[in-house]
Amino acid sequence: GAVVSQHPSWVICKSGTSVKIECRSLDFQATTMFWYRQFPKQSLMLMATSNEGSKATYEQGVEKDKFLINHASLTLSTLTVTSAHPEDSSFYICSARTRGSPRTSGGYEQYFGPGTRLTVT
Amino acid sequence: SQQGEEDPQALSIQEGENATMNCSYKTSINNLQWYRQNSGRGLVHLILIRSNEREKHSGRLRVTLDTSKKSSSLLITASRAADTASYFCATGLIQGAQKLVFGQGTRLTINP
Repeated sequence: GAVVSQHPSWVICKSGTSVKIECRSLDFQATTMFWYRQFPKQSLMLMATSNEGSKATYEQGVEKDKFLINHASLTLSTLTVTSAHPEDSSFYICSARTRGSPRTSGGYEQYFGPGTRLTVT
Repeated sequence: SQQGEEDPQALSIQEGENATMNCSYKTSINNLQWYRQNSGRGLVHLILIRSNEREKHSGRLRVTLDTSKKSSSLLITASRAADTASYFCATGLIQGAQKLVFGQGTRLTINP
């Protein structure tokens, strides 16, 4: 159980175009989804937190107009990279938190998708 | 900003040896989690330790947590070639508890 998928697994696009990445929770309802970016040989940096039915909360330094996040249902969140530039090339990973996750001192376990590698040429 | 510092950044050992990775963090936490990431892949959750726990085991994994020193360690015993991966600690903070903040990671290489 608790499987998260991402689509596409990789994408190459031209500079200036927009790319949409989907994150789906396959066998559970995800009230909250998170989007991370990971540059080569670096750690994951949280970009935004997405709650179903409400606007995403972006981390400091992340442009909300460039990285559009939509979490329209309990099983799907999308990240759209608008007007992509080569510096946006990265590995984008989503994670989802289940509605029924056991509370462990206030923390919830997150389930991660396999990631999407974006290359902007 | 990153919460965790991991040490070492890279570790290379022979198969069968034990591997120890350390993680330090700065602010108070609810829990600390360890993840594994194979090259170019997603993250696999390994183990979660709560702030009121000091040690936890799962198979060949042993995690310790010292909240007074704000540090944790991950020990992999009897390492195997398949353990080659990057290992990240992630802290669940007290404030904004639903977020995870990741450390820099340790790249572990097990030589056959």
